[in-house]
Amino acid sequence: NAGVTQTPKFQVLKTGQSMTLQCAQDMNHNSMYWYRQDPGMGLRLIYYSASEGTTDKGEVPNGYNVSRLNKREFSLRLESAAPSQTSVYFCASSNRGRGANVLTFGAGSRLTVL
Amino acid sequence: GDSVTQMEGPVTLSEEAFLTINCTYTATGYPSLFWYVQYPGEGLQLLLKATKADDKGSNKGFEATYRKETTSFHLEKGSVQVSDSAVYFCALIPLEALVFGKGTRLSVIA
Repeated sequence: NAGVTQTPKFQVLKTGQSMTLQCAQDMNHNSMYWYRQDPGMGLRLIYYSASEGTTDKGEVPNGYNVSRLNKREFSLRLESAAPSQTSVYFCASSNRGRGANVLTFGAGSRLTVL
Repeated sequence: GDSVTQMEGPVTLSEEAFLTINCTYTATGYPSLFWYVQYPGEGLQLLLKATKADDKGSNKGFEATYRKETTSFHLEKGSVQVSDSAVYFCALIPLEALVFGKGTRLSVIA
């Protein structure tokens, strides 16, 4: 019962480097999400994908790109990392529909940008 | 836009004390409301939810009632345990994705 799997769990980058966070879910969910969690800020939505082949910006999309590779996978890319992107990143998935829109979260990826 | 405001922490309680964490929301329409919990070093887990006015969500001794007239969804538990120490997030889903409050850290001491 894997649920939502994120990799890597930890990463340290230098300013300007690029990297991709990977996320995969095995629950046949239609929707997938990327959030970032910062102290005192709660979770803020970066991007989401309501279905395979679609992506939309959330509250804080600047500096990020996403790819919904297939129904299972949704990756988040930082093209040129900045210290302000130091955060914990969470991927989540759900099946939309009233009463069925509970999100299942991955364990998180802690990113430090020096 | 849609938003959630929850009481700031940290909240420190003794074991068996009564817990209330306040949550109010601003939204158009009738969003579903949620409480998620994050234990140390882990991702968020759904604690309970309510999908319409006057619904009461409950799980593991926690309860919250969807109050449309006061736009509130306060979390309560009658007797907390050390194992309840975590960060609690109130959230709503207006359309596409969850909107979270900033979280309330709860510490329960024996």
